[in-house]
Amino acid sequence: GAVVSQHPSWVICKSGTSVKIECRSLDFQATTMFWYRQFPKQSLMLMATSNEGSKATYEQGVEKDKFLINHASLTLSTLTVTSAHPEDSSFYICSASAGTVSYNSPLHFGNGTRLTVT
Amino acid sequence: ELKVEQNPLFLSMQEGKNYTIYCNYSTTSDRLYWYRQDPGKSLESLFVLLSNGAVKQEGRLMASLDTKARLSTLHITAAVHDLSATYFCAVDKNAGGTSYGKLTFGQGTILTVHP
Repeated sequence: GAVVSQHPSWVICKSGTSVKIECRSLDFQATTMFWYRQFPKQSLMLMATSNEGSKATYEQGVEKDKFLINHASLTLSTLTVTSAHPEDSSFYICSASAGTVSYNSPLHFGNGTRLTVT
Repeated sequence: ELKVEQNPLFLSMQEGKNYTIYCNYSTTSDRLYWYRQDPGKSLESLFVLLSNGAVKQEGRLMASLDTKARLSTLHITAAVHDLSATYFCAVDKNAGGTSYGKLTFGQGTILTVHP
C-alpha cells in the first residue's frame, strides 16, 4: 500500500534556529502534500497545502514566511520552520495525495516529526 | 467554514461492552475518514466512507455515513484493551473536487478500555 515517509522523527533545536522536515511518498507520485500540526492533547490542524511545482497554499493564521514549504518533485515536500521559538514546539505530520487516482483510497500520513524548541 | 464535532471526547469502556462514537460535520462533503492514533504516534487509517449509507467493518469496528444528516458513526463491538487509543474523524474539504486530502479533523475521542 501507499507509504509516506517523514524525516526526522524527532528534533530538538535551539530558539532562533531553523529546522527542515522532509515528507516523501515512497511508492506513488504525490501531486499534493499536506502539512498538519498537532499540539499536545489537541487535534490536527491543517497548516498548508503543497503542490508540486507551485507555491504552497497556507491556511488562515499560518505565517508563510515562518513555515517555508517546498515541493520540488512528485515524491518530496519539505517544511522548514524558520527562526523557531518554543511555541513552535509541536508534532508535525504530513500526508500525501495522488489526486483523483486516490479517490477510493485512504489518505496516508507520515510518521510525524516531534519538534522541541528550547 | 467546515466544522467537525465528535462526541464523546472521552470514553471509558469495560471490556466486552459496545459503544458508538459520533461525528457531525457542518457542510456537504463526499468523503469522511476515521483514524486511530496511539500515544506519540501518527495516524493509522481505519475507514474511508464515500457515499450516503456507506458501511464498513473491520474487526470490532464498524463505521457508517449518513450524508443527509451529516453524521458518521464509529461503533465498537465487544471492546478489548487493544482498542484503547484516540479516534479521529476527518472530513475532506474538497467535496466533489478533483484533488483530495485537505482534511478538517474532529477533536478526537480518547477511548480507554479497562477490564
